[in-house]
Amino acid sequence: DQQVKQNSPSLSVQEGRISILNCDYTNSMFDYFLWYKKYPAEGPTFLISISSIKDKNEDGRFTVFLNKSAKHLSLHIVPSQPGDSAVYFCAASPGNQFYFGTGTSLTVIP
Amino acid sequence: DAGVIQSPRHEVTEMGQEVTLRCKPISGHDYLFWYRQTMMRGLELLIYFNNNVPIDDSGMPEDRFSAKMPNASFSTLKIQPSEPRDSAVYFCASSFGGALRGGGYTFGSGTRLTVV
Repeated sequence: DQQVKQNSPSLSVQEGRISILNCDYTNSMFDYFLWYKKYPAEGPTFLISISSIKDKNEDGRFTVFLNKSAKHLSLHIVPSQPGDSAVYFCAASPGNQFYFGTGTSLTVIP
Repeated sequence: DAGVIQSPRHEVTEMGQEVTLRCKPISGHDYLFWYRQTMMRGLELLIYFNNNVPIDDSGMPEDRFSAKMPNASFSTLKIQPSEPRDSAVYFCASSFGGALRGGGYTFGSGTRLTVV
């Protein structure tokens, strides 16, 4: 059973606008969360992380928000750029391994 | 550092044949993970090793799948016999200290397996 869910398989956004990617999880023991970005024919690469002791973490154009009560996290990309077009995976860990979602394919339209 | 190196990049094989996927982790990393990516299930953990010892293989789908790590610089994932439903992209990843904080894992570029 999927413990980490990304319910939107795809998302299209105009260049310069905000991209919001969502992720839900079911296991209340998860205390560390990551976002990975994946280009075609490449492996996923680490993008940004957040610990459960925080509710927000920023790194340049990328911000991750964590709502523990709702078991929900989101990745905001502002402003979106064509080079951001990729598949984004969220991942969560209870301390021993990471569980990944199914990914959201983001297309940023120039 | 060359990163995590996987071979082959693509593999096409006939049903019933044995398939071996290979991985060279980053030097100094003590954890190695094998993942499978499918559209339906995303990235699924198959097995992971710590200091060359298998720690959790509960994700290995069937006895047809086996993985070994004979030394710190090499691991294999074997499927025997292969079936069409095994077609997927298989990723190897490595980390230091489990990397359950910080930047997580470093992934290889994957092996795209097609079983016909």
